[in-house]
Amino acid sequence: DAGVTQSPTHLIKTRGQQVTLRCSPISGHKSVSWYQQVLGQGPQFIFQYYEKEERGRGNFPDRFSARQFPNYSSELNVNALLLGDSALYLCASRPAVSYNEQFFGPGTRLTVL
Amino acid sequence: RKEVEQDPGPFNVPEGATVAFNCTYSNSASQSFFWYRQDCRKEPKLLMSVYSSGNEDGRFTAQLNRASQYISLLIRDSKLSDSATYLCVVWSGAGSYQLTFGKGTKLSVIP
Repeated sequence: DAGVTQSPTHLIKTRGQQVTLRCSPISGHKSVSWYQQVLGQGPQFIFQYYEKEERGRGNFPDRFSARQFPNYSSELNVNALLLGDSALYLCASRPAVSYNEQFFGPGTRLTVL
Repeated sequence: RKEVEQDPGPFNVPEGATVAFNCTYSNSASQSFFWYRQDCRKEPKLLMSVYSSGNEDGRFTAQLNRASQYISLLIRDSKLSDSATYLCVVWSGAGSYQLTFGKGTKLSVIP
């Protein structure tokens, strides 16, 4: 069975640009979460979506937004990129919000110059 | 106080050594606890869940003390392949949809 997939694998942007990251959950999983992992830190929660609705949001500015599609895939958008947005962006899926184990994708490594 | 705190590390141990990781959490309502392993530049992967009664999986033993809000992971007979960063993770349960991660403790097992 395919795991969580994310695209692109790597991305280089400049300050002020916008970026869209994509995630496809494990088949049958309806919940997708996004995390940001800065070098040397643990992942930090950004968003949770379930059945196309936002169910949770972490302490991130409004420059960060996301959505979930009818096929449960998801996009994370970041506007007006800052140097500090350079990080590994992880997507995780699970069957439902009440399911505590999450399965992570390989991540998208974003570098902002 | 951070929600999940871990030993800062790094830990450098010889093959065959026993190594212990410690973690504390601040939310007394937390319901589920995990140890994740993360290899360099890879995604976190679930190593084991942690139960109040303690649980063991081969060379790995995890323990939870709810009264002290303390979680531990013990690795016996360390292998070179155990080299990774170990993340302590807490889930607060219903109404909270996120996992809260500690900063991680890096382990290097040396030949």
